[in-house]
Amino acid sequence: DAGVIQSPRHEVTEMGQEVTLRCKPISGHNSLFWYRQTMMRGLELLIYFNNNVPIDDSGMPEDRFSAKMPNASFSTLKIQPSEPRDSAVYFCASSPGGGRRTEAFFGQGTRLTVV
Amino acid sequence: DAKTTQPPSMDCAEGRAANLPCNHSTISGNEYVYWYRQIHSQGPQYIIHGLKNNETNEMASLIITEDRKSSTLILPHATLRDTAVYYCIVRVALTDKLIFGTGTRLQVFP
Repeated sequence: DAGVIQSPRHEVTEMGQEVTLRCKPISGHNSLFWYRQTMMRGLELLIYFNNNVPIDDSGMPEDRFSAKMPNASFSTLKIQPSEPRDSAVYFCASSPGGGRRTEAFFGQGTRLTVV
Repeated sequence: DAKTTQPPSMDCAEGRAANLPCNHSTISGNEYVYWYRQIHSQGPQYIIHGLKNNETNEMASLIITEDRKSSTLILPHATLRDTAVYYCIVRVALTDKLIFGTGTRLQVFP
């Protein structure tokens, strides 16, 4: 398996533009997570899905952020409109889920810069 | 969510054992202790996890105290490639959530 695949790896956009980050989880995994990492705040859990359903979105910073998981093999994190303070590395992770106590696998991340 | 406390940084000589401590005094009976590490700007990498018994795998050993209020991750023979930030996490009970703290930055020196 190729692991968790995120795209793009790097994104530079202007303030006010819409940004969409993409994630393909490991096949067969039922749980998917979006994290954001900055120097100031470390690794923050934004949202997590189980069986394509959002279970906990309490970490989503504000209404400008939205996440979807239309099927088991794809998820998006959208920021509209983007702001400079959204600059961060965004990680997607997946795990088998379903209550099994196994590890989560992380993608390589998307480095977002909003200018 | 149970909170974890780790020292911000540690040093270790190459070839020696690295012992990374973690306090989780508010852990519940059905919550697992997980360890991850993050090398430079890569995605976090799973190392090991446990409930109450000590665990060992090809990467490390995990020692959990009898009262489960603290644990130690042991890298038996540290190498330069083990230089990373190490996160101790208590997995939220009955969910898959992993809440990361600030971690310990381990520097392995020659």
